[in-house]
Amino acid sequence: GNSVTQMEGPVTLSEEAFLTINCTYTATGYPSLFWYVQYPGEGLQLLLKATKADDKGSNKGFEATYRKETTSFHLEKGSVQVSDSAVYFCALSPGGATNKLIFGTGTLLAVQP
Amino acid sequence: EPEVTQTPSHQVTQMGQEVILRCVPISNHLYFYWYRQILGQKVEFLVSFYNNEISEKSEIFDDQFSVERPDGSNFTLKIRSTKLEDSAMYFCASRRTDQNTEAFFGQGTRLTVV
Repeated sequence: GNSVTQMEGPVTLSEEAFLTINCTYTATGYPSLFWYVQYPGEGLQLLLKATKADDKGSNKGFEATYRKETTSFHLEKGSVQVSDSAVYFCALSPGGATNKLIFGTGTLLAVQP
Repeated sequence: EPEVTQTPSHQVTQMGQEVILRCVPISNHLYFYWYRQILGQKVEFLVSFYNNEISEKSEIFDDQFSVERPDGSNFTLKIRSTKLEDSAMYFCASRRTDQNTEAFFGQGTRLTVV
């Protein structure tokens, strides 16, 4: 079946630290992979996506590379800011007519000044 | 910027009561979804809706749940007889096409069943 596993939080970092949030997946076929972010009091927003192996998604300084050989899609940022504090969700879409999303549990990131 | 809006933001209901969660998807979107997140657990797919009918539903989406698009703008999730375990954050989402385009999510409705 299809599933997503991401590292548990909370992750607490100082401003300008390097961030990695691990995400691995299990899927049949060729899924698309996503990172969504939820800022306090807001809905889920797409942060970045990759639709095939070796694609790199990037946005707002965040990056993630679709690694088929390790079934991973780790989120990285070189220098986090306080404003990056949020919950980050890794997700996959197995495709098909509905294109539903299958999410991980979410990782809370807290960045301290 | 267009957005998905959900009402109410928080709903408290007694066990056994019916609740209706409301969503207004983005106007030119064709695919609509409900997800839920029980506190501390994964965001789970409930149901997808296209062309005025359910296109897929999860095993969570049993006979107690129903969805409707009553007037071409609202998209509702009804829970007929709520149980304590229905307490969760419910997210509505919409997508313009069935290709790999972004799904836009609402802010969620926190449902508390007491």
